[in-house]
Amino acid sequence: SQTIHQWPATLVQPVGSPLSLECTVEGTSNPNLYWYRQAAGRGLQLLFYSVGIGQISSEVPQNLSASRPQDRQFILSSKKLLLSDSGFYLCAWSLGTSYNEQFFGPGTRLTVL
Amino acid sequence: DQQVKQNSPSLSVQEGRISILNCDYTNSMFDYFLWYKKYPAEGPTFLISISSIKDKNEDGRFTVFLNKSAKHLSLHIVPSQPGDSAVYFCAAPTFQGAQKLVFGQGTRLTINP
Repeated sequence: SQTIHQWPATLVQPVGSPLSLECTVEGTSNPNLYWYRQAAGRGLQLLFYSVGIGQISSEVPQNLSASRPQDRQFILSSKKLLLSDSGFYLCAWSLGTSYNEQFFGPGTRLTVL
Repeated sequence: DQQVKQNSPSLSVQEGRISILNCDYTNSMFDYFLWYKKYPAEGPTFLISISSIKDKNEDGRFTVFLNKSAKHLSLHIVPSQPGDSAVYFCAAPTFQGAQKLVFGQGTRLTINP
């Protein structure tokens, strides 16, 4: 069976510090991978998605970047965090075929102070 | 442009009664819809889906109805149970290089004993 891991579960960082969130998927090959953010009281905003190693598409211009160094590893980064980067970050995967639901990881709660 | 809208941010229902969560969409190209359930500090989990070739899909206590002419879908939960208290998101897939989900803002459902 497939599982998706995210770490850390919670993170408190000062403004201007760097960020690295990691997501890994087990039990599947060549998944589509996604990073979402849920800001307080808001819905799920797609930040990045990837259809393969090294292939990153950005949905929203922002202070963040993503990388996919391995087939089942997806990393969300920032060089300098802003207060507005606070939120709940979710990684998800899906198969490349049509009409498959996305499966979400447990999320990372990021608080920027 | 919010292509999927959930206009009720919250809903309170008595245990044992029916919960009805609504979702509207603007993109007539959408032909498949999903509902996700999310508990605090957890990733969303897939609940039920419906294809546009149907107007109803049922899974246990959960039924989703689709009205294509009105661009409206609803999730019915009957009977409602305390464990149903969560945030519910409707979503629709788009295909731009990869399957991406467009999410509504979510509705927080509270089931009162």
